[in-house]
Amino acid sequence: DTGVSQNPRHKITKRGQNVTFRCDPISEHNRLYWYRQTLGQGPEFLTYFQNEAQLEKSRLLSDRFSAERPKGSFSTLEIQRTEQGDSAMYLCASSLRVALGTGDKTEAFFGQGTRLTVV
Amino acid sequence: TQLLEQSPQFLSIQEGENLTVYCNSSSVFSSLQWYRQEPGEGPVLLVTVVTGGEVKKLKRLTFQFGDARKDSSLHITAAQPGDTGLYLCAGEWGTYKYIFGTGTRLKVLA
Repeated sequence: DTGVSQNPRHKITKRGQNVTFRCDPISEHNRLYWYRQTLGQGPEFLTYFQNEAQLEKSRLLSDRFSAERPKGSFSTLEIQRTEQGDSAMYLCASSLRVALGTGDKTEAFFGQGTRLTVV
Repeated sequence: TQLLEQSPQFLSIQEGENLTVYCNSSSVFSSLQWYRQEPGEGPVLLVTVVTGGEVKKLKRLTFQFGDARKDSSLHITAAQPGDTGLYLCAGEWGTYKYIFGTGTRLKVLA
Protein backbone atom coordinates (compact mmCIF):
# COMPACT_ATOMS: atom_id res chain seq x y z
CA ASP A 1 0.00 0.00 0.00
CA THR A 2 1.62 3.24 -1.13
CA GLY A 3 -0.98 5.65 0.22
CA VAL A 4 -0.76 7.97 3.21
CA SER A 5 -0.58 6.07 6.47
CA GLN A 6 -1.56 7.39 9.89
CA ASN A 7 -1.05 5.80 13.28
CA PRO A 8 -2.74 5.16 15.56
CA ARG A 9 -6.26 5.06 14.09
CA HIS A 10 -7.80 5.70 17.46
CA LYS A 11 -6.47 7.20 20.66
CA ILE A 12 -8.25 7.64 23.96
CA THR A 13 -6.41 9.70 26.54
CA LYS A 14 -7.06 11.36 29.84
CA ARG A 15 -7.19 15.13 30.03
CA GLY A 16 -3.77 16.58 30.71
CA GLN A 17 -1.83 13.79 29.02
CA ASN A 18 0.37 14.28 25.98
CA VAL A 19 -0.32 12.45 22.73
CA THR A 20 1.68 12.01 19.53
CA PHE A 21 0.40 10.98 16.13
CA ARG A 22 2.43 9.79 13.18
CA CYS A 23 1.92 10.30 9.46
CA ASP A 24 3.82 8.54 6.67
CA PRO A 25 3.15 10.37 3.39
CA ILE A 26 3.31 9.06 -0.15
CA SER A 27 7.03 8.69 -0.72
CA GLU A 28 7.46 11.03 -3.68
CA HIS A 29 5.34 13.81 -2.16
CA ASN A 30 7.32 16.70 -0.73
CA ARG A 31 4.32 18.49 0.77
CA LEU A 32 2.61 17.39 3.96
CA TYR A 33 -0.40 18.86 5.74
CA TRP A 34 -2.13 18.33 9.07
CA TYR A 35 -5.82 19.03 9.61
CA ARG A 36 -8.30 18.81 12.44
CA GLN A 37 -11.87 17.81 11.71
CA THR A 38 -14.85 17.83 14.03
CA LEU A 39 -18.11 16.06 13.35
CA GLY A 40 -19.95 17.28 10.27
CA GLN A 41 -17.40 19.97 9.45
CA GLY A 42 -14.79 20.25 6.73
CA PRO A 43 -11.14 19.72 7.71
CA GLU A 44 -9.49 22.75 9.29
CA PHE A 45 -5.94 23.49 8.22
CA LEU A 46 -3.36 23.21 11.00
CA THR A 47 0.06 23.23 9.42
CA TYR A 48 2.09 22.57 6.28
CA PHE A 49 5.56 21.22 5.53
CA GLN A 50 7.54 21.41 2.36
CA ASN A 51 10.19 18.76 2.79
CA GLU A 52 11.40 19.28 6.37
CA ALA A 53 10.54 22.97 6.56
CA GLN A 54 7.36 23.99 8.39
CA LEU A 55 6.20 26.89 6.26
CA GLU A 56 2.73 27.64 7.52
CA LYS A 57 0.90 27.32 10.80
CA SER A 58 -2.69 28.14 11.53
CA ARG A 59 -3.62 30.10 14.62
CA LEU A 60 -5.44 26.94 15.63
CA LEU A 61 -2.07 25.46 16.36
CA SER A 62 -1.68 26.79 19.89
CA ASP A 63 1.47 26.41 21.95
CA ARG A 64 0.21 23.01 23.06
CA PHE A 65 0.41 21.74 19.50
CA SER A 66 3.65 21.05 17.70
CA ALA A 67 4.51 19.26 14.50
CA GLU A 68 7.76 17.99 13.07
CA ARG A 69 8.92 16.44 9.89
CA PRO A 70 12.54 15.40 10.39
CA LYS A 71 14.39 14.59 7.19
CA GLY A 72 11.35 15.50 5.15
CA SER A 73 9.80 12.06 5.40
CA PHE A 74 7.29 11.07 8.08
CA SER A 75 5.72 13.67 10.34
CA THR A 76 4.51 13.75 13.91
CA LEU A 77 1.85 15.91 15.53
CA GLU A 78 2.06 16.27 19.30
CA ILE A 79 -0.57 17.70 21.59
CA GLN A 80 0.56 18.50 25.10
CA ARG A 81 -1.72 18.77 28.13
CA THR A 82 -4.72 17.58 26.16
CA GLU A 83 -8.11 19.15 26.77
CA GLN A 84 -11.55 17.78 26.03
CA GLY A 85 -11.90 20.30 23.23
CA ASP A 86 -9.02 18.60 21.44
CA SER A 87 -11.25 15.60 20.76
CA ALA A 88 -11.47 15.39 16.97
CA MET A 89 -10.24 13.53 13.92
CA TYR A 90 -6.70 14.50 12.98
CA LEU A 91 -5.99 14.07 9.30
CA CYS A 92 -2.72 14.05 7.43
CA ALA A 93 -2.34 14.59 3.71
CA SER A 94 0.50 14.75 1.25
CA SER A 95 0.71 16.28 -2.17
CA LEU A 96 2.87 17.00 -5.13
CA ARG A 97 2.51 20.29 -6.95
CA VAL A 98 2.38 19.90 -10.70
CA ALA A 99 3.12 22.80 -12.99
CA LEU A 100 0.63 23.08 -15.82
CA GLY A 101 0.49 25.49 -18.69
CA THR A 102 -2.48 27.29 -17.12
CA GLY A 103 -1.21 27.24 -13.54
CA ASP A 104 -0.17 24.80 -10.88
CA LYS A 105 -2.23 21.86 -9.74
CA THR A 106 -2.07 20.54 -6.19
CA GLU A 107 -3.91 17.35 -5.31
CA ALA A 108 -3.77 16.23 -1.71
CA PHE A 109 -4.19 12.59 -0.73
CA PHE A 110 -5.32 11.75 2.75
CA GLY A 111 -4.67 9.13 5.34
CA GLN A 112 -7.50 7.51 7.24
CA GLY A 113 -7.01 9.83 10.18
CA THR A 114 -6.46 9.44 13.90
CA ARG A 115 -9.54 9.85 16.05
CA LEU A 116 -8.63 11.39 19.38
CA THR A 117 -10.95 11.19 22.36
CA VAL A 118 -9.96 13.09 25.49
CA VAL A 119 -11.83 11.94 28.58
CA THR B 1 -14.24 33.90 7.24
CA GLN B 2 -14.77 30.86 5.08
CA LEU B 3 -12.86 31.07 1.83
CA LEU B 4 -14.79 28.20 0.26
CA GLU B 5 -18.51 28.16 0.96
CA GLN B 6 -20.53 25.12 0.04
CA SER B 7 -24.27 24.85 -0.38
CA PRO B 8 -26.44 23.27 0.61
CA GLN B 9 -25.01 22.23 3.96
CA PHE B 10 -27.32 19.21 4.20
CA LEU B 11 -29.25 17.35 1.56
CA SER B 12 -31.55 14.37 1.99
CA ILE B 13 -33.06 12.94 -1.18
CA GLN B 14 -34.69 9.81 -2.49
CA GLU B 15 -32.84 7.29 -4.60
CA GLY B 16 -33.06 8.19 -8.29
CA GLU B 17 -33.25 11.95 -7.80
CA ASN B 18 -30.73 14.42 -9.22
CA LEU B 19 -28.86 16.98 -7.13
CA THR B 20 -26.31 19.77 -7.43
CA VAL B 21 -23.80 20.90 -4.83
CA TYR B 22 -22.10 24.27 -5.09
CA CYS B 23 -18.69 25.53 -3.99
CA ASN B 24 -18.18 29.29 -4.06
CA SER B 25 -15.35 31.65 -3.28
CA SER B 26 -14.41 35.27 -3.80
CA SER B 27 -10.85 34.13 -4.56
CA VAL B 28 -9.45 32.69 -7.76
CA PHE B 29 -8.06 29.16 -7.50
CA SER B 30 -5.58 27.65 -9.92
CA SER B 31 -7.35 24.33 -9.42
CA LEU B 32 -10.14 22.91 -7.31
CA GLN B 33 -10.56 19.41 -6.04
CA TRP B 34 -13.66 17.53 -4.95
CA TYR B 35 -13.53 14.86 -2.27
CA ARG B 36 -16.00 12.44 -0.74
CA GLN B 37 -15.64 11.41 2.87
CA GLU B 38 -17.36 8.62 4.75
CA PRO B 39 -17.70 8.55 8.54
CA GLY B 40 -14.46 7.63 10.30
CA GLU B 41 -12.38 7.78 7.13
CA GLY B 42 -10.20 10.33 5.41
CA PRO B 43 -11.44 12.29 2.36
CA VAL B 44 -11.02 10.49 -0.97
CA LEU B 45 -10.15 12.55 -4.03
CA LEU B 46 -12.80 12.39 -6.76
CA VAL B 47 -11.61 14.88 -9.36
CA THR B 48 -9.50 17.96 -10.06
CA VAL B 49 -10.68 20.81 -12.28
CA VAL B 50 -8.09 23.20 -13.62
CA THR B 51 -9.34 25.24 -16.57
CA GLY B 52 -12.10 27.85 -16.30
CA GLY B 53 -15.30 26.38 -17.73
CA GLU B 54 -13.94 22.85 -17.56
CA VAL B 55 -16.43 20.01 -17.23
CA LYS B 56 -15.40 16.57 -16.03
CA LYS B 57 -17.55 13.48 -15.74
CA LEU B 58 -17.07 10.55 -13.43
CA LYS B 59 -19.87 8.04 -14.10
CA ARG B 60 -23.01 9.73 -12.72
CA LEU B 61 -21.05 12.69 -11.30
CA THR B 62 -20.46 15.84 -13.35
CA PHE B 63 -18.03 18.50 -12.12
CA GLN B 64 -17.79 22.00 -13.50
CA PHE B 65 -15.28 24.77 -12.83
CA GLY B 66 -16.57 28.31 -13.19
CA ASP B 67 -15.24 30.47 -16.01
CA ALA B 68 -13.54 32.78 -13.52
CA ARG B 69 -12.17 29.83 -11.49
CA LYS B 70 -13.88 31.07 -8.34
CA ASP B 71 -16.63 28.49 -8.10
CA SER B 72 -17.43 24.91 -8.93
CA SER B 73 -20.39 22.58 -8.94
CA LEU B 74 -20.97 18.88 -8.55
CA HIS B 75 -24.05 17.35 -10.15
CA ILE B 76 -25.14 13.80 -9.36
CA THR B 77 -27.60 12.10 -11.67
CA ALA B 78 -29.89 9.36 -10.38
CA ALA B 79 -28.43 9.34 -6.89
CA GLN B 80 -27.93 6.01 -5.16
CA PRO B 81 -27.59 5.17 -1.44
CA GLY B 82 -23.89 4.51 -2.08
CA ASP B 83 -23.48 8.22 -2.88
CA THR B 84 -24.21 9.07 0.75
CA GLY B 85 -21.34 10.94 2.39
CA LEU B 86 -19.72 14.30 3.03
CA TYR B 87 -18.73 16.10 -0.16
CA LEU B 88 -15.90 18.60 0.12
CA CYS B 89 -14.36 21.01 -2.30
CA ALA B 90 -10.77 22.11 -1.72
CA GLY B 91 -8.05 24.18 -3.27
CA GLU B 92 -4.70 25.78 -2.71
CA TRP B 93 -5.05 29.28 -1.29
CA GLY B 94 -2.17 31.65 -0.86
CA THR B 95 1.25 30.10 -1.12
CA TYR B 96 0.97 27.12 1.16
CA LYS B 97 -2.51 26.60 2.49
CA TYR B 98 -4.62 23.81 1.07
CA ILE B 99 -8.08 24.61 2.35
CA PHE B 100 -11.45 22.94 2.39
CA GLY B 101 -14.98 24.07 1.92
CA THR B 102 -17.62 23.89 4.60
CA GLY B 103 -18.90 20.57 3.25
CA THR B 104 -22.21 19.19 2.03
CA ARG B 105 -23.60 16.20 3.86
CA LEU B 106 -25.63 14.08 1.44
CA LYS B 107 -27.99 11.31 2.43
CA VAL B 108 -29.64 9.23 -0.26
CA LEU B 109 -32.61 7.22 0.95
CA ALA B 110 -33.47 3.88 -0.63
